[in-house]
Amino acid sequence: ETGVTQSPTHLIKTRGQQVTLRCSSQSGHNTVSWYQQALGQGPQFIFQYYREEENGRGNFPPRFSGLQFPNYSSELNVNALELDDSALYLCASRGQGLLYGYTFGSGTRLTVV
Amino acid sequence: AQSVSQHNHHVILSEAASLELGCNYSYGGTVNLFWYVQYPGQHLQLLLKYFSGDPLVKGIKGFEAEFIKSKFSFNLRKPSVQWSDTAEYFCAVNAGAGNMLTFGGGTRLMVKP
Repeated sequence: ETGVTQSPTHLIKTRGQQVTLRCSSQSGHNTVSWYQQALGQGPQFIFQYYREEENGRGNFPPRFSGLQFPNYSSELNVNALELDDSALYLCASRGQGLLYGYTFGSGTRLTVV
Repeated sequence: AQSVSQHNHHVILSEAASLELGCNYSYGGTVNLFWYVQYPGQHLQLLLKYFSGDPLVKGIKGFEAEFIKSKFSFNLRKPSVQWSDTAEYFCAVNAGAGNMLTFGGGTRLMVKP
């Protein structure tokens, strides 16, 4: 069991730039979700991918986009960064069904200046 | 839309004290309920979950939670806390299609040795 790994761990970007965050799912997991956790708050659902298709989206604007690859790894892309995008971005994966819950990565800390 | 409330934002206890963290959700249908823990500098870890059956569920590290449907609650308990339980605790709900999780704002627990 390799767990969920995310890269990079920390990132500083300038307002208006674009960023790509990466996630490797736990072995055998075909569903991946991304969450945004602002300081002092609980994680907020961004979107979810299953077999390379987006199958759920939270209340985030279109400048937040994603991809899932055939090996079930995933990317989160954010365009036109805003200061409020500063947060911890969490990737979570699971296998078939929700029975065993999601396995979370340690996150990428994004700071927009 | 579903929402989750954790009314205790910060809790300070001495070792061996009993713990109860509140969690209330708003959704009238069938729900799946989770408690996650985030130790300092670590990723979110699943403590326990409820899907169906016995409303009293036991998790890892001596934690348990009780689902009370009439109160829309899923409170987390531990009879005797340890210093190593210092962490942030998140309640989460899954309801409806998509299997995404809706998290509460978290409760930061500090246990004094």
